[in-house]
Amino acid sequence: DAGVIQSPRHEVTEMGQEVTLRCKPISGHDYLFWYRQTMMRGLELLIYFNNNVPIDDSGMPEDRFSAKMPNASFSTLKIQPSEPRDSAVYFCASSFGGRGVGETQYFGPGTRLLVL
Amino acid sequence: DQQVKQNSPSLSVQEGRISILNCDYTNSMFDYFLWYKKYPAEGPTFLISISSIKDKNEDGRFTVFLNKSAKHLSLHIVPSQPGDSAVYFCAANFGNEKLTFGTGTRLTIIP
Repeated sequence: DAGVIQSPRHEVTEMGQEVTLRCKPISGHDYLFWYRQTMMRGLELLIYFNNNVPIDDSGMPEDRFSAKMPNASFSTLKIQPSEPRDSAVYFCASSFGGRGVGETQYFGPGTRLLVL
Repeated sequence: DQQVKQNSPSLSVQEGRISILNCDYTNSMFDYFLWYKKYPAEGPTFLISISSIKDKNEDGRFTVFLNKSAKHLSLHIVPSQPGDSAVYFCAANFGNEKLTFGTGTRLTIIP
């Protein structure tokens, strides 16, 4: 299996522009997670899906952030409009869950976002 | 409010010696704990986990210890090798798939 695939790997944009990050989870996994990594806060969970349905979006910073999962093999995280404080590394992860414990999550390589 | 805390941002250890990474948590509901390892330009990868019904779990050179009364866990790496140089994240979970991560500790193994 190719693992979790994220694109783009790097994104540089200007403040106010729309940014779309993409993720393809591991085939057969039913959970998908979006994280943001910063020096100050480490790995923060933004939102997660189960069977394409958003379960918990309490980590989404504000209305400028939105995430969708139209099917089992694709998800997007969109920032509109982007701001310099959104600069971070964004990770997508997937897992095969259902036991109610911390099943191993498999992470993608991340998208490094820089907003100027 | 940081529910999982890794108070040491960095740690340097001589090759062959023991590396001890620490993690504290505040939420007594957490019942499953994990350690992830992250190399530069890669995503974190799962390393080892422990359930709250245990106080120790061992996997090769890696051992995780859990002290529930102190709300503290630690990861021991013995012996430390240059390939262990990475950022280590502690994570905790209860009752669902959501993981709460700490801020990470950068471990550098000195040859």
